[in-house]
Amino acid sequence: DQQVKQNSPSLSVQEGRISILNCDYTNSMFDYFLWYKKYPAEGPTFLISISSIKDKNEDGRFTVFLNKSAKHLSLHIVPSQPGDSAVYFCAASAKGTYKYIFGTGTRLKVLA
Amino acid sequence: DAGVIQSPRHEVTEMGQEVTLRCKPISGHNSLFWYRQTMMRGLELLIYFNNNVPIDDSGMPEDRFSAKMPNASFSTLKIQPSEPRDSAVYFCASSGDRAVAYEQYFGPGTRLTVT
Repeated sequence: DQQVKQNSPSLSVQEGRISILNCDYTNSMFDYFLWYKKYPAEGPTFLISISSIKDKNEDGRFTVFLNKSAKHLSLHIVPSQPGDSAVYFCAASAKGTYKYIFGTGTRLKVLA
Repeated sequence: DAGVIQSPRHEVTEMGQEVTLRCKPISGHNSLFWYRQTMMRGLELLIYFNNNVPIDDSGMPEDRFSAKMPNASFSTLKIQPSEPRDSAVYFCASSGDRAVAYEQYFGPGTRLTVT
């Protein structure tokens, strides 16, 4: 049973446009969410996070939105750059736990 | 800091052989995680250590898998005997705080192929 779902395995976007990556979760106990970015032959690296007390967190070109009622979060990248081409993993954690539950990832390709 | 170090980066072995994957966490981090990445299931947590003690091994697939952390700077994940379905990328990650969901730093991974 996948508690964290990334239903789009891949996404292609033109350079300069917005990339929107989506993630859904089922466990209402999750209260902390993260996005990780992974390049080929490297480990995932932390990108941005959001606590359930917020509905938006922004860091430069990256913004994460959280809709708790819909159990949905999204990552917006504006403007998209070719260097953003990578696999993006959504992860969730419940308060007081160490455990991240990861989604299966979305492969983003930014076309020059 | 060199980050999380894993070895080997690639391992090809025959079914039935023993495989040992190694990890050196970031100095000062007290939590260590082993993950497995597959296309179908994404990143799955196999086992978590805190202060060298295994806290949660519920993700370990079966008795063929075992993990140890003899000291704060070294951990191993062993598969014996290995099977083709164990083929995956295995990641080690470390973090500095147990009490909260803290950022985890991942190593580059070991790509395991069992033929």
